[in-house]
Amino acid sequence: DTAVSQTPKYLVTQMGNDKSIKCEQNLGHDTMYWYKQDSKKFLKIMFSYNNKELIINETVPNRFSPKSPDKAHLNLHINSLELGDSAVYFCASSRQQGAKQYFGPGTRLTVT
Amino acid sequence: KQEVTQIPAALSVPEGENLVLNCSFTDSAIYNLQWFRQDPGKGLTSLLLIQSSQREQTSGRLNASLDKSSGRSTLYIAASQPGDSATYLCAATGYSTLTFGKGTMLLVSP
Repeated sequence: DTAVSQTPKYLVTQMGNDKSIKCEQNLGHDTMYWYKQDSKKFLKIMFSYNNKELIINETVPNRFSPKSPDKAHLNLHINSLELGDSAVYFCASSRQQGAKQYFGPGTRLTVT
Repeated sequence: KQEVTQIPAALSVPEGENLVLNCSFTDSAIYNLQWFRQDPGKGLTSLLLIQSSQREQTSGRLNASLDKSSGRSTLYIAASQPGDSATYLCAATGYSTLTFGKGTMLLVSP
């Protein structure tokens, strides 16, 4: 059974569009995260979220917003997509803040 | 702000060699340190996690050590195999984040 899943696996879209990436975890974890891996393969955190607090990396544009319909899901919404948003986005979860994180398979976003 | 550095950036060895990958971090206030493996075009596989109170962890041919006071961790791979070829990422866990190094790309040739 997949612990952390993401959909879609690939997403190709045009500049200016709005898109969402979905993430689900079946581990019963309280905290979820979104990471971006750029073309140079460098991984950086975008958001950390549990039911009490959202922590945003200050470098993330406000076009990006996480939305959590329930504890098992943390979706990433992106408005007005730009070429520089092309990257692989990874979702992760952990039992609590500071605990071991489990990663999803990633979503490769290409903006044309 | 936590910064994680990995040395070397790339490493090429013949099969059977023992090797060491290095990781350093600037802020010793970490919960734990994790080593991941990433194959090309794939996701992250967690290899080892060392809690801040521990000195090392072992899994099969892998051994990871942690020296919080000096801000260093090493990943030791014994008797390397071609299947070990991948990028190895070190990550330091803070309260709300995981700070990654840029990785060491390992190539083990038959």
